[in-house]
Amino acid sequence: QKEVEQDPGPLSVPEGAIVSLNCTYSNSAFQYFMWYRQYSRKGPELLMYTYSSGNKEDGRFTAQVDKSSKYISLFIRDSQPSDSATYLCASLADYQLIWGAGTKLIIKP
Amino acid sequence: EAGVAQSPRYKIIEKRQSVAFWCNPISGHATLYWYQQILGQGPKLLIQFQNNGVVDDSQLPKDRFSAERLKGVDSTLKIQPAKLEDSAVYLCASSLRTQGARRLNNEQFFGPGTRLTVL
Repeated sequence: QKEVEQDPGPLSVPEGAIVSLNCTYSNSAFQYFMWYRQYSRKGPELLMYTYSSGNKEDGRFTAQVDKSSKYISLFIRDSQPSDSATYLCASLADYQLIWGAGTKLIIKP
Repeated sequence: EAGVAQSPRYKIIEKRQSVAFWCNPISGHATLYWYQQILGQGPKLLIQFQNNGVVDDSQLPKDRFSAERLKGVDSTLKIQPAKLEDSAVYLCASSLRTQGARRLNNEQFFGPGTRLTVL
């Protein structure tokens, strides 16, 4: 079992929709969680990070962690075609990032 | 501020050949990472440098992969000989310091990657 699981998609939604991207993790010691966005032919870029449980909002993006169910979510409001990318979740374990496989998101105009 | 530079962007070789990738991190970044990203998977850390010293190379297949960062700035990753399963994108990243629980904001900045195809 991988330590961070993520549905690879693709997830296709119409422009303006609310998008929900999710990951699960197995190691209860994980406390720090990141969301990265990766455009085609580019490296990942950090969107947000959260600590422990709770929500964190940044513009149209909200990251949520539920430690009781070991569930990580990223919500995108008012989705735009420019949001089309692969979204990777990761957890910081000691000094190493443990990555999910990434979910490919397609926003249809 | 210039980002992480990598070259070449694309490389096609035949199995058993050798190949080298180059990375120039963001100026002043002490920590440099090499990742392997196979299609449909998340990045896998191959090696991490702090200045010119190796911090973690536990997942580097040392029988065929080698990496160096001689002057603590740019770095090269070499594969010799290449196998079909080495086909992947090789990402280089850098951060000011090693990212850890007490240095969460030491964000890793990624280069565009080198896409390797082994035939």
